Amino acid sequence: DSGVTQTPKHLITATGQRVTLRCSPRSGDLSVYWYQQSLDQGLQFLIQYYNGEERAKGNILERFSAQQFPDLHSELNLSSLELGDSALYFCASSLWGKGKETQYFGPGTRLLVL
Amino acid sequence: GENVEQHPSTLSVQEGDSAVIKCTYSDSASNYFPWYKQELGKRPQLIIDIRSNVGEKKDQRIAVTLNKTAKHFSLHITETQPEDSAVYFCAATFSGNTPLVFGKGTRLSVIA
Repeated sequence: DSGVTQTPKHLITATGQRVTLRCSPRSGDLSVYWYQQSLDQGLQFLIQYYNGEERAKGNILERFSAQQFPDLHSELNLSSLELGDSALYFCASSLWGKGKETQYFGPGTRLLVL
Repeated sequence: GENVEQHPSTLSVQEGDSAVIKCTYSDSASNYFPWYKQELGKRPQLIIDIRSNVGEKKDQRIAVTLNKTAKHFSLHITETQPEDSAVYFCAATFSGNTPLVFGKGTRLSVIA
């Protein structure tokens, strides 16, 4: 157990809908990262937050957005869902700065868009 | 740009043999290189990491070597077992305080 929690574990929804994925980082970690992993694919970095502020952005679609709250949990919002958005979504957390780069991953949320 | 190339994409070995996965990176300022193991449907888990001031690190059957001059690092698994079958990802930090950049992964199959 990495100490990172994600809810829900599974999500089934229809095209055009909107969903919210939730992540709670390890105790003490200020940085949260979101990744998308499609079937048999690598880890696609979406976005990073540090202490409530957006820190880095990857290949995140405009239909997707995220935020980190004062209690440091984070939410990833996916809207106008398409079939191709079906994937595993991982959250990871870390401390931040030199020597503190190790990311610890949550169990993931499996999203199926029908 | 920031890039991590990982090879091979798939690897099959006989149980008991060694497996080697290699990654190259583009930024000579990179200083942290972790390896993650991901079993089917599970989260990536850190198995070993190395920093730029060290050339090699070992943990039981797993070792990582770093060649800063050539800008590559490798994962070595000795005496492979069926439970080593998984996808392995390498990653590296780059200058500018950016998040880890991951390789595309290597699917390792250990055949009993």
